[in-house]
Amino acid sequence: NAGVTQTPKFQVLKTGQSMTLQCAQDMNHEYMSWYRQDPGMGLRLIHYSVGAGITDQGEVPNGYNVSRSTTEDFPLRLLSAAPSQTSVYFCASSPGGGTTEAFFGQGTRLTVV
Amino acid sequence: RKEVEQDPGPFNVPEGATVAFNCTYSNSASQSFFWYRQDCRKEPKLLMSVYSSGNEDGRFTAQLNRASQYISLLIRDSKLSDSATYLCVVNLVVMDTGRRALTFGSGTRLQVQP
Repeated sequence: NAGVTQTPKFQVLKTGQSMTLQCAQDMNHEYMSWYRQDPGMGLRLIHYSVGAGITDQGEVPNGYNVSRSTTEDFPLRLLSAAPSQTSVYFCASSPGGGTTEAFFGQGTRLTVV
Repeated sequence: RKEVEQDPGPFNVPEGATVAFNCTYSNSASQSFFWYRQDCRKEPKLLMSVYSSGNEDGRFTAQLNRASQYISLLIRDSKLSDSATYLCVVNLVVMDTGRRALTFGSGTRLQVQP
């Protein structure tokens, strides 16, 4: 019963490094999204995808890239890490439609030094 | 102005108390509404959806007022295990693009004390 799996759970990067946060879901959900959560800010949408091959920007997309080559996977790439990207990152998936529950991964705690 | 606004709290209440959280949203085209619960250092999980007629799930009651763009959550007979952050979530679907924007409030922290 995996649901949404994110890796890694923790990561420390140096400024300027790049990395990819992995997200996979086994529920055959069309919709996947990435959020970041900062203290006092709630969750903010970075990028989302309504299906394989389709991605779009959310509220805070700068500095991040995504791709969706399969239904299951939705990786988030940090192109050149900055201290402002220190945050907790959550991946979520949901079935099609605007009234459905979102299922979250356990999160990735990223620190950029 | 934030799209979804909540009182951050914390709300410190004794066991057995009734506590209410409020949330306002700015986009009148918002189409679905939820309360999520987030425990410390964990992922958010759905607590309940919020329906126009109001709905109840055990000790939890959710209300929606579309005219005032206002959502509420009432917790009766608080338990220690209710201590968490409660996130108000609004889902807006833009029909011409299919874009779905699940927008989160910053959360209200509840601490239930023995």
